[in-house]
Amino acid sequence: QVHLVESGGGVVQPGRSLRLSCVVSEFTFSNYAMHWVRQAPGKGLEWVAVIWYDGTNKYYAESVKGRFTISRDNSKNTLYLQMNSLRAEDTAVYYCAREILVVTAIFDYWGQGTLVTVSS
Amino acid sequence: SSELTQDPAVSVALRQTVRITCQGDSLRSYSANWYQQKPGQAPVLVIYGKNNRPSGIPDRFSGSSSGNTASLTITGAQAEDEADYYCNSRDSSGNLYVFGTGTKVTVL
Repeated sequence: QVHLVESGGGVVQPGRSLRLSCVVSEFTFSNYAMHWVRQAPGKGLEWVAVIWYDGTNKYYAESVKGRFTISRDNSKNTLYLQMNSLRAEDTAVYYCAREILVVTAIFDYWGQGTLVTVSS
Repeated sequence: SSELTQDPAVSVALRQTVRITCQGDSLRSYSANWYQQKPGQAPVLVIYGKNNRPSGIPDRFSGSSSGNTASLTITGAQAEDEADYYCNSRDSSGNLYVFGTGTKVTVL
C-alpha cells in the first residue's frame, strides 16, 4: 500500500522559515516526480511546486517562487519543502502528491497533509 | 500561467446525472484530470486523461473533453458522491501545473 506522510507543519511568525517533509513508502520513490499542493482554509487546491524524479528539474508557482525550495533525498525516500519569508497568505494545509508520469499532471497518491499557520 | 474555471456549485437529485465542467486555454493542448475531495480528507483521483478511472473508482464517473472544456459526469449520483471536485492540468507554458477553482456537488 503506497503511503505518503507529511510532517513539519505548525505555527510560525511572518517572515520566519519552516521545512516540511514527506516520507513515502511502498513504491520506488526515485522513479516519480513529486509535488507539493496546498489548500488555504475554506479555499481550493493550489499547486505549489514540482521536482522531477532525479531532482534535475524544479518548477514553482509564481506565488512562492524565490521563497520556497523543493528538494528530495532519494536515498531516504523523502521529499522536502523549505519555506522562507513566510506570509499570512501561506497559511494552508500542505499536501505532497505523486505524479504518475512526469508532466501528465496525474496525481495518483496524496498524503494526508500538514497544516502550516503563519501568524504573529 | 493559465486558469481553469469551474462552476462554484451544482446540485443533483439522488440517482440522477450531473456534469461538471472545467474551462481553460491550456486544455486545448493538455488533458484534464479530476479529483474528489471530501471534508477533512485529501483529494482522490477519480478520472485521468481523456476518460480513465483508477482502480476502485465506480464506473458512474466518466470524463470527456472538447476544445477548451473538460467535463466530469456522474451518472446515477449517490449520496457518497457529495464532495468538492477539482480539475487540473498543465498550464500553457507546459512546465507549471494548475488546479481548477473547484465545484461543490450536493446530492439532494
